[in-house]
This record gives sequence, C-alpha cells and structure tokens, in this order.
Amino acid sequence: GAVVSQHPSRVICKSGTSVKIECRSLDFQATTMFWYRQFPKQSLMLMATSNEGSKATYEQGVEKDKFLINHASLTLSTLTVTSAHPEDSSFYICSARAWDSGYTFGSGTRLTVV
Amino acid sequence: AQTVTQSQPEMSVQEAETVTLSCTYDTSENNYYLFWYKQPPSRQMILVIRQEAYKQQNATENRFSVNFQKAAKSFSLKISDSQLGDTAMYFCAFANAGGTSYGKLTFGQGTILTVHP
Repeated sequence: GAVVSQHPSRVICKSGTSVKIECRSLDFQATTMFWYRQFPKQSLMLMATSNEGSKATYEQGVEKDKFLINHASLTLSTLTVTSAHPEDSSFYICSARAWDSGYTFGSGTRLTVV
Repeated sequence: AQTVTQSQPEMSVQEAETVTLSCTYDTSENNYYLFWYKQPPSRQMILVIRQEAYKQQNATENRFSVNFQKAAKSFSLKISDSQLGDTAMYFCAFANAGGTSYGKLTFGQGTILTVHP
C-alpha cells in the first residue's frame, strides 16, 4: 500500500529557532499533500494544501510566514516552522492522496518549543 | 463549507460486544466520500472504512460496517465483536469529489472509544 514517511517523529527546539518537518511519499507520486495540526484529544485541523511546483494554499487563520511549505518534487513536501514559540508546540501530521479518493497519513511529528 | 459532527466525545464497550459511533455531516454537494479513521495511542491515522456517496450499499470491512443514510446526512460506524485493540480515537471525515475544495478532508471532533476486558 501507499506509504508516507514523516520525519522527525519528535523534535525539541529553542524558542526563536526554526524547525523543518519532512514528508516523503515512498512508493507513489503525491501531487498534493496536506498538513494538519492536532492538539491532544482534539481533531485534526487542516493548515494548508501543498501542491507540487506551486505555492501552497493556506487555511484561514494560518500564518503563511510562520509555517512555510515547500513541495518541490512529487515525493517530498516540507513544513518549516519559523521563529518557533511555545504556542507552536503541537502534533503535526501530513497526508497525501495516493489514488482516487484514497488518503494516507504520515506518522506525525511532535514539536515541543522550549 | 462542509461540516462533520460527532456528538459522542467518549464511548466505552465491553470486549466482544457491539458499539455504534455516530456521525452527521452537512454539505450541498452530491458527489463525495466519507471515511472513518482510527487513531490509536501511537497517533498513526489508520483508515477503517470508506464510503462513496453514489453507492447505496453500505461499506463493510470485516468487523466494521457503516450505516450510510444520504438523505439524513448520517454516517455511523458499527464495530462488532469489539477487541481491546479497537481502543482508539475515531474520526469521521468528509471529502468532496470535486469543486474548489476537492481533495480536502474535513474531520469531525472525534470519539474516544475504550474497550474494556
């Protein structure tokens, strides 16, 4: 089946630094990837839609300059949290559409900003 | 915009019994997909079952089945013969098959299911 590899699984960074999270489709080409944020025991909130070769589409209320998304190839999308602050601490998950109507998810990244 | 509502924040069931998780949604679209995802403590999202809106027949995957009522915009999940490994958070999700929001998944609030031995 389609697999999305997400790294790192956990990261701790200092306030003010930037962190990059990678999502890679291993056995298929993902023209579109989705980035979600999830707080404990809550639902997944869509942050942005990443399209290969074009600018990402951000959901209302998501700061484009803080959450930089790059989808430079058909197998790799990255989310960079810039100038991270403790309120950015969360669980981030990526997802890709592997085939018609099918979605596969990365294993998630737990970000802690200290 | 589409909305998905799960009205049961938490549910519990005894092992081997049956439990039903409810989900309602709101959309003006006619062509769409509905999903149930499971998120165990590992937080890996796992697809449980999928339903295409144009199919009248309810989807079934082993112990998991859905009751899809398109007119009522209801999509409940029935888990039969519950197992301890079914303990997880369950999300109902909606995706348009076309239009400007094509491909986006909209999730419900989630239901935490605990299976007791």
